[in-house]
Amino acid sequence: SQQGEEDPQALSIQEGENATMNCSYKTSINNLQWYRQNSGRGLVHLILIRSNEREKHSGRLRVTLDTSKKSSSLLITASRAADTASYFCATDDMRFGAGTRLTVKP
Amino acid sequence: DAGVIQSPRHEVTEMGQEVTLRCKPISGHNSLFWYRQTMMRGLELLIYFNNNVPIDDSGMPEDRFSAKMPNASFSTLKIQPSEPRDSAVYFCASSWAGQGSYNEQFFGPGTRLTVL
Repeated sequence: SQQGEEDPQALSIQEGENATMNCSYKTSINNLQWYRQNSGRGLVHLILIRSNEREKHSGRLRVTLDTSKKSSSLLITASRAADTASYFCATDDMRFGAGTRLTVKP
Repeated sequence: DAGVIQSPRHEVTEMGQEVTLRCKPISGHNSLFWYRQTMMRGLELLIYFNNNVPIDDSGMPEDRFSAKMPNASFSTLKIQPSEPRDSAVYFCASSWAGQGSYNEQFFGPGTRLTVL
């Protein structure tokens, strides 16, 4: 399985701070995706990064991919209380890890 | 497009009863996924279809679970007989897949199943 595993399991920060979460996987991939899940809702796609890309931006989100280390990171800058959610990564087989639970305190 | 549609949104049933969950994917998508989410086990991929054909059902817990996709616009996940440990939120997602990789998945709102 290429299942991504997120780290840390939980992260608590103050509004305005940056949040960084990581994803590790086991085998080579074509692409890696990050998703957000608000409590009780379905996952929402945030960003997709392909194996030949090293960094990608979308608004306050920055994703990096290091295929040599089989890892990716998601950075949320200037966090807001509305960013409170669980964040998941998925690789080609569309299996998700346990996620990172982010809490942003106002 | 209305997005991925799931029904029912909530289902409460008694152990031993048959449960059928339904999903309508986004028009034009060629891949459909069924997931189950619980606190204990997280988000599990149960089965996925590509062009209405089941590609990987290794996540289906046991023979009590079955899934069908009779056409591009409809899929069902059936549990017969249901057990209390099947209580979970079941999500359906669809996407466009090309050349061996999947693109952005769109998730439905989920069906919250409670088996008493």
